[in-house]
Amino acid sequence: QQQVKQSPQSLIVQKGGISIINCAYENTAFDYFPWYQQFPGKGPALLIAIRPDVSEKKEGRFTISFNKSAKQFSLHIMDSQPGDSATYFCAASYSGSARQLTFGSGTQLTVLP
Amino acid sequence: GAVVSQHPSRVICKSGTSVKIECRSLDFQATTMFWYRQFPKQSLMLMATSNEGSKATYEQGVEKDKFLINHASLTLSTLTVTSAHPEDSSFYICSATPGGTNEKLFFGSGTQLSVL
Repeated sequence: QQQVKQSPQSLIVQKGGISIINCAYENTAFDYFPWYQQFPGKGPALLIAIRPDVSEKKEGRFTISFNKSAKQFSLHIMDSQPGDSATYFCAASYSGSARQLTFGSGTQLTVLP
Repeated sequence: GAVVSQHPSRVICKSGTSVKIECRSLDFQATTMFWYRQFPKQSLMLMATSNEGSKATYEQGVEKDKFLINHASLTLSTLTVTSAHPEDSSFYICSATPGGTNEKLFFGSGTQLSVL
């Protein structure tokens, strides 16, 4: 599998702050970049996703920034809340792969009250 | 959104027994289902890809005789961990897609397997 590198491994943010998680990929054939949120003992849930034809996508407090030339994308969580405390995974896939996702290593986010 | 049901959510078994995990797509026909394994505080690792009516494709290092996958219908895939041992203890997650674009991929809620 092609790698997707994610950082940081863990992140602690105060309530109301901005959480930023970064990912970098290698395979230029990737054309779909989702972010997943996972709570302990649960499966991952799709949070937001982007395709490389746009540089930014915003949904509520969540924004993906995408830099195609640098092969990087990031998740920004504005006004972070304690309920956002979870593990976040970036991922990537390409249309020819039967929708097989390559996951990043995950970021454990803790939002302090 | 589409729903993928995974059952059981938690199972505890004795070493040497076999355990079956079910993954069902409730409101769509899943042409392809994926099985992942996740260790604590680690990422999801793809174990195998199963297409309805055909043999599963296993990732390198995954024992096909150990992890039996059956995708007998368009709404059901099963993963059987045969002769389970403590090192098989893990969180197993399935996902399913109805085909079409790669955006249509839905995850189950996972199964925590503990082998004593």
